Amino acid sequence: SQTIHQWPATLVQPVGSPLSLECTVEGTSNPNLYWYRQAAGRGLQLLFYSVGIGQISSEVPQNLSASRPQDRQFILSSKKLLLSDSGFYLCAWSVGSRVGGYTFGSGTRLTVV
Amino acid sequence: DAKTTQPPSMDCAEGRAANLPCNHSTISGNEYVYWYRQIHSQGPQYIIHGLKNNETNEMASLIITEDRKSSTLILPHATLRDTAVYYCIVRVARGADGLTFGKGTHLIIQP
Repeated sequence: SQTIHQWPATLVQPVGSPLSLECTVEGTSNPNLYWYRQAAGRGLQLLFYSVGIGQISSEVPQNLSASRPQDRQFILSSKKLLLSDSGFYLCAWSVGSRVGGYTFGSGTRLTVV
Repeated sequence: DAKTTQPPSMDCAEGRAANLPCNHSTISGNEYVYWYRQIHSQGPQYIIHGLKNNETNEMASLIITEDRKSSTLILPHATLRDTAVYYCIVRVARGADGLTFGKGTHLIIQP
C-alpha cells in the first residue's frame, strides 16, 4: 500500500536560519507531489507541485524553494527563514492516472522565533 | 476550477446524520466534486468524490443534484471524531496542479 512520510513533526528555528523539510512516498511510481502551507488560522495554500524528477512549479513567490531529486522524494527549503514562514507544512501526493483523492502527510509544524 | 460556497460552520448532535451542503453553480461538465476533511492539527483526509451520480463509501454519502449545481455530503451517524473542517472542491479528475482549498465548513459534533 502507498504511504507518505514527512518529517520532522515539529520544528523551532530562529529567524535567518536555513530550512529543509523532507517528504517521501512509498508504494507508487511517478507520483505528483505537492507542498502546502497553512498559517495559523488560515486556509491551505499550495506552494509547489512536481510532476516528475527535477520539475517544480511554484504557485506563489516567496522565501521558499522546492526540489525533487528522486522520483518519490520532495524537499522544501529556505536559505533564510522569516517570521512569516511559520506555519503547518503539508506534503501530498497523487497519481495522474487515478481518478480520486490526494493523500496528505501528517505535516510539520514550523515555528520561526 | 469552479468556485464553491459552503456555510462557515454547522453543529450536529452525536449519533445524528450530518448534512453538509456545497454550492457549485459554475461547475463544468468534466469537473468532479471532491470532499476532504481536516481534523485539527492533521493533514486533510480524502472522503469521497463524484461526477453526477450519488456515491457512497464507508465514510459518507455524496448526493449531487441533477443539474450538478450543488451537492450534500452526508455523514450518517456522526461521532465526536467527525468534528473537523470539511472542504468541498470542484475540479477536473486528472489535473496535476493540486487542489485549491477554500475555507470549508467547520462541523462541530455535540455530545
